[in-house]
Amino acid sequence: AQKVTQAQTEISVVEKEDVTLDCVYETRDTTYYLFWYKQPPSGELVFLIRRNSFDEQNEISGRYSWNFQKSTSSFNFTITASQVVDSAVYFCALSESAGGTSYGKLTFGQGTILTVHP
Amino acid sequence: DAGITQSPRHKVTETGTPVTLRCHQTENHRYMYWYRQDPGHGLRLIHYSYGVKDTDKGEVSDGYSVSRSKTEDFLLTLESATSSQTSVYFCAISESGGSAETQYFGPGTRLLVL
Repeated sequence: AQKVTQAQTEISVVEKEDVTLDCVYETRDTTYYLFWYKQPPSGELVFLIRRNSFDEQNEISGRYSWNFQKSTSSFNFTITASQVVDSAVYFCALSESAGGTSYGKLTFGQGTILTVHP
Repeated sequence: DAGITQSPRHKVTETGTPVTLRCHQTENHRYMYWYRQDPGHGLRLIHYSYGVKDTDKGEVSDGYSVSRSKTEDFLLTLESATSSQTSVYFCAISESGGSAETQYFGPGTRLLVL
């Protein structure tokens, strides 16, 4: 069965520090997708990125970057020069293809609470 | 933003009472999902729907039932609420339900069972 582990329960940094949120996954499927979502204090879930299992290129979007390594089954998320507005809970999630029968079901990690202090 | 609303947004109820949560979408997406969020567990799938009247169980379906009589509405019912069902409930939608599809989430319903 698929599993996603976010071992860091809480991280606290000071503004402008770089911070990396770890995500390790388990799956037997060869085709799968990984996602990151942000949940700010207001409570909604905001989609950040989707990455498929065949694309190991790192991705950068502004201050955000993602490092996908199949060899270690990890999909880590780095925020450069963190800001107070980055304070949120961050979730990593996995969706397996299961031969096209998964119906897109997501398996989430436990979440990492990031607090950025001014 | 995806057009997803959930009602009620907050509810307090007593053990043993039935509760129905509603998810409404204006995107005409085929797939809809109900998740619950609990500390230490992230979000876990309760039930999902792949079309009108087509539903199936997720990881934590015990004590919950769902119905979908229209494309836009997906109802989650707690037949007899228990304190262990105190949680935040999120509805999500996706256009075609494939593993590559991004799911977009509603604002959530905070349920407290006393």
